[in-house]
This record gives sequence, C-alpha cells and structure tokens, in this order.
Amino acid sequence: DAGVTQSPTHLIKTRGQQVTLRCSPISGHKSVSWYQQVLGQGPQFIFQYYEKEERGRGNFPDRFSARQFPNYSSELNVNALLLGDSALYLCASSEYGQGRANTEAFFGQGTRLTVV
Amino acid sequence: GDSVTQMEGPVTLSEEAFLTINCTYTATGYPSLFWYVQYPGEGLQLLLKATKADDKGSNKGFEATYRKETTSFHLEKGSVQVSDSAVYFCALSDSWSTGNQFYFGTGTSLTVIP
Repeated sequence: DAGVTQSPTHLIKTRGQQVTLRCSPISGHKSVSWYQQVLGQGPQFIFQYYEKEERGRGNFPDRFSARQFPNYSSELNVNALLLGDSALYLCASSEYGQGRANTEAFFGQGTRLTVV
Repeated sequence: GDSVTQMEGPVTLSEEAFLTINCTYTATGYPSLFWYVQYPGEGLQLLLKATKADDKGSNKGFEATYRKETTSFHLEKGSVQVSDSAVYFCALSDSWSTGNQFYFGTGTSLTVIP
C-alpha cells in the first residue's frame, strides 16, 4: 500500500514568490496535517484538516494557507516567500476522527523548500 | 500549553552500547506519547508509542515507558547498532484537547560507531 506521498520533493523559489505543496494521504485516512521542520529542529505544526474542514492552526502568519479536497488530498500554499520559510515541509495523515483517539501520524518524505 | 523537552545531542556511542535518550513533557490533558525516528533525507517514521500511564511501547529493541508521576517517556535500547544512527524525536498528541496536533521535541542525533 502507498504511504503518504508529497510533491514535489525539492523546490527552489525566489523571495516574494508563491508556492503550492501537495499531499496525498494513506488510503482511508481522512485527516491531513502539515508541519514545518527547520534544519536542526523538530517539526512545528501548521495546519490540520479533517473532512475538508480546518481543525487546527499553528502559530504561523496568514501567508500560510491550506485546503483539503473531497478525495482527502491536501495543498499547502505559502505566499510572499521569505528566506526564513526555507525548510522541510512534512505532511502527515491519520485516522483521527474515525473512532480512534490519539492515533499516530504517518508522515510523508517531505518537500524541501529553498527560498533564495 | 503542551510541550516536549528532549535531551540535547548529539550522542555518539560505540556499537553494542546502552542507549538512553531523555524526554519529559507538559500537558494539560491525557496525551499519548510517541518516539519517531528520522533517517537522513527522509520523513519521520513511528518507532513506538504509549497511550496511557504505565504503558510500555516497544519496537526493534527500543523501549519507553509512560511515567505520569515524572511526566517522562525516556527511550532506551540495550545494544545499539550502526543502523540505529538517526535523529530521534519525542512527541505528544492529545486528541481530546488539541485534535491530532503533535508537539515534538527538538530531536536527538545519534551516531553509532563500529
């Protein structure tokens, strides 16, 4: 079975540009979350979506937005890129909301974003 | 708010040495606790988890016990191998109060030398 898939794997953008990252969850999972991992740090929560609705938002500026589609895949958008947005962006899916509490998150390989 | 404090690294051990990576947490509810591992250039993989106090999670020779009295979830392995070299993250999640949001520690880099 396919795990969480993310695209693209690597991306280089210029300051001020906009970027869209994509994620497909494990089949059957309805919850998708996004994390930012800066080099040498642990992942920081950005968003959680469940059944196409935002269920949680981390401490990130409004330049960050996301959405979830009817097939449960998700996109993360970042506008007006800053150098500090350079990081590994991780997508995770889980069985949250499907009758199980405190379920583990399954992570994709991530998208490495470099802003120059 | 919820948070995880993890032992600073990096940690360098000889093969077959004993490993301990300390992790303590702060949570307002009843979280589940996790250890994830990240190999170079890859995403995070679940290593083990514990969902309530006194539970012991175990996998691939690694163990961690959920200690509510000391708010700890230390990772241990009796005999490390070169293939265990990776970055280890302690994390918590509390569905009842914060959805499926995970709080991660800063990570501990482990290098095992032959």
